[in-house]
Amino acid sequence: DIQMTQSPSSLSASVGDRVTITCRASQGISNYLAWYQQKPGKVPKLLIYAAFTLQSGVPSRFSGSGSGTDFTLTISSLQPEDVGTYYCQKYNSAPFTFGPGTKVDIK
Amino acid sequence: QVQLVQSGAEVKKPGASVKVSCKASGYTFTSYDINWVRQATGQGLVWMGWMNPNSGDTGYAKSFQGRVTMTWNTSISTAYMELNSLRSEDTAVYYCVRVFDYLVDYWGQGTLVTVSS
Repeated sequence: DIQMTQSPSSLSASVGDRVTITCRASQGISNYLAWYQQKPGKVPKLLIYAAFTLQSGVPSRFSGSGSGTDFTLTISSLQPEDVGTYYCQKYNSAPFTFGPGTKVDIK
Repeated sequence: QVQLVQSGAEVKKPGASVKVSCKASGYTFTSYDINWVRQATGQGLVWMGWMNPNSGDTGYAKSFQGRVTMTWNTSISTAYMELNSLRSEDTAVYYCVRVFDYLVDYWGQGTLVTVSS
């Protein structure tokens, strides 16, 4: 099975900072990569699918890129409401494995 | 509106089984896959498997194969996830999720399963 990794596992940044999270698949998955945001005490929410397509209603400060094995989620200007854990998920074929998550908080 | 309403919290002893239900409303139950995802406290999301109420197909993550069974009752728009041979490491919140085009668009509220002697 394809394994998903993320880095860093956690980060602390200031409001307004540019934040980048990386997700890597152990084998190529084309662009079948989604990003989810989970705020404390809440269920996850879909942010980005097909590696770079923003889900409706998601602020434009979020963006995604990548294809094949290496993907990136970028928050162009970190806001206090962005605190939470971010997960990537592959969905080219089952198993639809999640990455281990990246916890983001405010410095 | 789409809703997935799960059954209440469970406390089980090691070796026992648990069956979590997920009642869907607000859409045609057979038109979407249901997946199950679990999350231990403070830990990440773990994908457990999928079920297609229309085709009758299921698929399970290797780490759960042999211990998990996903079923459904179309007449009452309810999905079930049964996990056997419970151990302490199975203590987690279990979510049913609706999947559209392989992407999760709705989540149940979660069911806490605690495994303790």
